[in-house]
Amino acid sequence: EAGVTQSPTHLIKTRGQQATLRCSPISGHTSVYWYQQALGLGLQFLLWYDEGEERNRGNFPPRFSGRQFPNYSSELNVNALELEDSALYLCASSESGTLNEKLFFGSGTQLSVL
Amino acid sequence: DQQVKQNSPSLSVQEGRISILNCDYTNSMFDYFLWYKKYPAEGPTFLISISSIKDKNEDGRFTVFLNKSAKHLSLHIVPSQPGDSAVYFCAVVNAGGTSYGKLTFGQGTILTVHP
Repeated sequence: EAGVTQSPTHLIKTRGQQATLRCSPISGHTSVYWYQQALGLGLQFLLWYDEGEERNRGNFPPRFSGRQFPNYSSELNVNALELEDSALYLCASSESGTLNEKLFFGSGTQLSVL
Repeated sequence: DQQVKQNSPSLSVQEGRISILNCDYTNSMFDYFLWYKKYPAEGPTFLISISSIKDKNEDGRFTVFLNKSAKHLSLHIVPSQPGDSAVYFCAVVNAGGTSYGKLTFGQGTILTVHP
């Protein structure tokens, strides 16, 4: 069974550009989560999508946005890129409604903003 | 405001000995506590969890202890193996209110197990 897949693996952008990151959850999972891991920091919660709806978001500016498609895959968009947006962006999926929040993570997209 | 703290950035242990990773949290309303392990170039993988109604959960070589009065969580690995070398993150979840669905992670502890 395929795990969580993310694309691209690496992405290089310049300041002010837009970045689009993609995620495909495990088959049967309807919840998708996005996390940011900046160098030397823990994982910071960005967004949670379930059944196509945004359910919760972390303390990030509005230029971080996303969506979930009918097939439960998801996109994370980062507009007006800033140097400090350089980080590893991790996507995770889970079965909807699981209270213990066991997440399955992809390998991430390494975003570099120059 | 950091709700979850792993105060030890790194830990070095000899193979066969016990590894103890620690985590402190500030919010007594957290419902579940989890540990994730992360190898380089891979996403974190779930290791073990514990509900707030328990104080211990064991799975093979891994045991998680929860001390609610001290707001302290620990992971014991016995015996430690070189393959356990990774970054370990503790994570907490509050099942209610605006925090629902949000895992809050600590900064991680790099565990190195020497042969």
